[in-house]
Amino acid sequence: DSGVTQTPKHLITATGQRVTLRCSPRSGDLSVYWYQQSLDQGLQFLIQYYNGEERAKGNILERFSAQQFPDLHSELNLSSLELGDSALYFCASSTGQGKAFFGQGTRLTVV
Amino acid sequence: GIQVEQSPPDLILQEGANSTLRCNFSDSVNNLQWFHQNPWGQLINLFYIPSGTKQNGRLSATTVATERYSLLYISSSQTTDSGVYFCAVDTGRRALTFGSGTRLQVQP
Repeated sequence: DSGVTQTPKHLITATGQRVTLRCSPRSGDLSVYWYQQSLDQGLQFLIQYYNGEERAKGNILERFSAQQFPDLHSELNLSSLELGDSALYFCASSTGQGKAFFGQGTRLTVV
Repeated sequence: GIQVEQSPPDLILQEGANSTLRCNFSDSVNNLQWFHQNPWGQLINLFYIPSGTKQNGRLSATTVATERYSLLYISSSQTTDSGVYFCAVDTGRRALTFGSGTRLQVQP
């Protein structure tokens, strides 16, 4: 158990819909990262939050957004979903040194 | 951006065999980490290894930062070692850039 909790584990939704993925980092970690793993793009960094503030952005689509709340949990919002958004979405948190611990992921299927 | 290349892409071993996985990266990095993704999709951090050598049971890793490569050694492989092994680097902003992975299958 990495200590990073993600919900839900699985999500099936229709094109055009909006979903919210949730992540709780390890106790004491201030940083939360979101990654997407798809068959064609591999594992890609989407966005990072540190103590409630956006810290870095990667290959995140404009239809996607995230936030980190005062209790440090984070949510990734995916809207106007397309078939190509089907993927495994991971949340990670890191130690001060940067060692990353990943949650179990949310498998999103868009039909 | 930085390029991370892993080899080989696929590897099939008999149980008990040893193997070496390689990760090359194209620029200086702050740290390098190895992960194992098991058949259920879970990503497990095996090593945080910006330089030098570390060992954890049957696994060990070596990073030579000046030559921009890292090696992951698996000895006496077991079927539970099957899965995909990823190398990931941090260039200073803490977000990780992943290689495309080595898919390992250990046969009984």
